[in-house]
Amino acid sequence: DTAVSQTPKYLVTQMGNDKSIKCEQNLGHDTMYWYKQDSKKFLKIMFSYNNKELIINETVPNRFSPKSPDKAHLNLHINSLELGDSAVYFCASSSRGKAGPNLNEQFFGPGTRLTVL
Amino acid sequence: RKEVEQDPGPFNVPEGATVAFNCTYSNSASQSFFWYRQDCRKEPKLLMSVYSSGNEDGRFTAQLNRASQYISLLIRDSKLSDSATYLCVVDRSGGSYIPTFGRGTSLIVHP
Repeated sequence: DTAVSQTPKYLVTQMGNDKSIKCEQNLGHDTMYWYKQDSKKFLKIMFSYNNKELIINETVPNRFSPKSPDKAHLNLHINSLELGDSAVYFCASSSRGKAGPNLNEQFFGPGTRLTVL
Repeated sequence: RKEVEQDPGPFNVPEGATVAFNCTYSNSASQSFFWYRQDCRKEPKLLMSVYSSGNEDGRFTAQLNRASQYISLLIRDSKLSDSATYLCVVDRSGGSYIPTFGRGTSLIVHP
């Protein structure tokens, strides 16, 4: 029944490793996002895909590569992990294509807590 | 001026109190505004959208002031369960929708 799901929930890894986080939504939304929330709790958008097309790409190191195989999935691959990548990563989805009161209301996944040692 | 600014608080209020938060934004062309709530170690959840004419949902009232470029959230008759961080979200693109979150305002409601 989960609307937006992420795996894994926790990820502990060594510096220099490569890891992936997966996100799936069953809300029928056309837009998905990745956010990073750091230790100071600041939630910052990283990427957004609309109908599998990249539409937002903030100033993020190119070690981070999002991939959207279809509208319901948005994965995040991180190469050469660094200590500063430790954070909670949230996936979210929304409906961008339709006008109306629910336009752009985002639903978030439970987050992936990444710890780089 | 930062794109979206909020007073981090914490706002410490007794049960039953009325409390209000403001959130200022820098882009006068912003079109979409929201309030989210985030509990400790949980994901943000939509509390309410903010409409031009203002809107109310139970004990919660949201207002938009375009002239002064801020949105507000008023909580009446505070409950212990209202304790959380309240995040405002503003579309900084002026129509294309690039959501920008404020740093959040922490609310603690005590008995």
